[in-house]
Amino acid sequence: AQSVTQPDIHITVSEGASLELRCNYSYGATPYLFWYVQSPGQGLQLLLKYFSGDTLVQGIKGFEAEFKRSQSSFNLRKPSVHWSDAAEYFCAVGNFNKFYFGSGTKLNVKP
Amino acid sequence: DVKVTQSSRYLVKRTGEKVFLECVQDMDHENMFWYRQDPGLGLRLIYFSYDVKMKEKGDIPEGYSVSREKKERFSLILESASTNQTSMYLCASSLEGGEKYNEQFFGPGTRLTVL
Repeated sequence: AQSVTQPDIHITVSEGASLELRCNYSYGATPYLFWYVQSPGQGLQLLLKYFSGDTLVQGIKGFEAEFKRSQSSFNLRKPSVHWSDAAEYFCAVGNFNKFYFGSGTKLNVKP
Repeated sequence: DVKVTQSSRYLVKRTGEKVFLECVQDMDHENMFWYRQDPGLGLRLIYFSYDVKMKEKGDIPEGYSVSREKKERFSLILESASTNQTSMYLCASSLEGGEKYNEQFFGPGTRLTVL
């Protein structure tokens, strides 16, 4: 069965600290992988996506993610977090018309 | 830029009412989606449409129907609203045709409360 697991429901980091949000997936075919961010009261905005090729992908706002097929993971990273990064982050897997989303990780940033 | 708009940001309805949620996209996308977002459950697909008048059930279609009479507009209908349909509803759209077009663009969401 297709599924996405984000094991951390809430994460708190200090401003300027590094960040890693975890995502594990179960998918029967070649996965297309995505990270979205949702600010309070807003829709989802795409941060980055992986379709093929280089397993380290760069996204907007200084985020990057690494696809590890052997671990079925697609973790999101940022070297230095800004207060404006406080939001909820969703990992998704799928292709064409069928996408599966994780339950989300809420990021809190301490000043 | 792709723009996906939803008719209401907040909506309050009573149990048993018929509810219409409207979504419009302005980029000529073939695919449109309705999701429901609940805390701890992420996004769950209710219905999607890959062309005008075409629709397919997602993971949780019970209690919902959809309508797509024009390419740019996709409506979600709650025939008889119930309190367990209180949720955030998100509309999305995407292009058809190959992997580079898999990206979904989301609207701002409609927070529906059923009393």
